[in-house]
Amino acid sequence: QLQLQESGPGLVKPSETLSLTCSVSGGSINTPNYYWGWIRQPPGKGLEWIGSIYYSGSIYYNRSLKSRVAISEDTSKNHFSLKLSSVTAADTAIYFCARHFWGGTGWFDPWGQGTLVTVSS
Amino acid sequence: QSALTQPPSVSGSPGQSVTISCTGTSSDVGGYNYVSWYQQQPGNAPKLMIYDVNKRPSGVPDRFSGSKSGNTASLTISGLQADDEADYSCCSFAGNYTWVFGSGTKVTVL
Repeated sequence: QLQLQESGPGLVKPSETLSLTCSVSGGSINTPNYYWGWIRQPPGKGLEWIGSIYYSGSIYYNRSLKSRVAISEDTSKNHFSLKLSSVTAADTAIYFCARHFWGGTGWFDPWGQGTLVTVSS
Repeated sequence: QSALTQPPSVSGSPGQSVTISCTGTSSDVGGYNYVSWYQQQPGNAPKLMIYDVNKRPSGVPDRFSGSKSGNTASLTISGLQADDEADYSCCSFAGNYTWVFGSGTKVTVL
């Protein structure tokens, strides 16, 4: 059974870089047609797609975050990562990782439990 | 890339049906049949309920159904049960290799 688990600091200072890792177990990130995505949810608000990465190296980002975000993968460790720079309080959110099927259609399943990241000095 | 519009809340009594709308534009919901729906119960990760507008993953009860008309997609829950009380979000491909989620709807079972 595929499982994803987010990890990283729960508190980040304004203007610094948020860094999270998503560890995948029960399956390989080197799977055709499956991207691996990051989604966030600010407190009391809706979900927001951040971006998705394919094992071949293709990466796509939300245009509104593109200048500050970087997603990478480490196939040897079977995990992928998120970096969001120059964070502000508006980046406070629960950050989820998910497997993203993207091949003539698309959906996110399964998801990790999510990790709350608070931006505060 | 604006969020898809969903009603903040809907409610119904056990056994009734509720429908959640998800309104976008011709650039996202109206342009592609790549609409999915997610259930999020408090403290839990989102769970895929519907994909490709109206397909159910294995294990999802057939009380959950999806449809689309023009720029609006809908999720209908029939035979409402207490366990259906949760937040529901839609998602659509938005072109140019991007995806957009809805604003989320809280379903309350009265």
